[in-house]
Amino acid sequence: AQSVTQLGSHVSVSEGALVLLRCNYSSSVPPYLFWYVQYPNQGLQLLLKYTTGATLVKGINGFEAEFKKSETSFHLTKPSAHMSDAAEYFCAVSGTGANNLFFGTGTRLTVIP
Amino acid sequence: NAGVTQTPKFQVLKTGQSMTLQCAQDMNHEYMSWYRQDPGMGLRLIHYSVGAGITDQGEVPNGYNVSRSTTEDFPLRLLSAAPSQTSVYFCASSSGTGGKYEQYFGPGTRLTVT
Repeated sequence: AQSVTQLGSHVSVSEGALVLLRCNYSSSVPPYLFWYVQYPNQGLQLLLKYTTGATLVKGINGFEAEFKKSETSFHLTKPSAHMSDAAEYFCAVSGTGANNLFFGTGTRLTVIP
Repeated sequence: NAGVTQTPKFQVLKTGQSMTLQCAQDMNHEYMSWYRQDPGMGLRLIHYSVGAGITDQGEVPNGYNVSRSTTEDFPLRLLSAAPSQTSVYFCASSSGTGGKYEQYFGPGTRLTVT
């Protein structure tokens, strides 16, 4: 079984500051891990994913995430926040056997000018 | 490509009414799914399909039916709407099966049941 925990339902950062959104997962099989972003009144868009190989994954809009198996974590970071990063971010996990995604409860990011 | 499309964008139903949420994709994807999004709960899988004629239940299937007669379409039916089904519904599709493939999401349908 798979599950995801996102610490912090709301995160606020100043423009130009580091963005850190936390995600911990539980999986009985080697996981595939995803970060999706949702802008207001829109669907979800893939930011990045980890399947196999390099544990540091780079995505769109300057975001990256590192898969740490020993910590069962997949935290999302961006060195310098931009106003356009304000959105809700979802971490998700799937197993090797099926596409079904298990989502965390989401983190709403606010960027303060 | 239009990607994943959903209709309608908004819908208000009375308790007990039925309706069908439409979902279509033009990417020839085998895998399609329906999620509901509720505040503070993330997205939860309702039903999914790995190809035409094949459907299965997800995490929260009660009160919903699906069918998949073509690769392109995957409608979600509410047989007797209840206030607990007030939610935002997202359809998604994926080019392959096995977990590592990106899912492409539609814009969503906001449903209110009174």
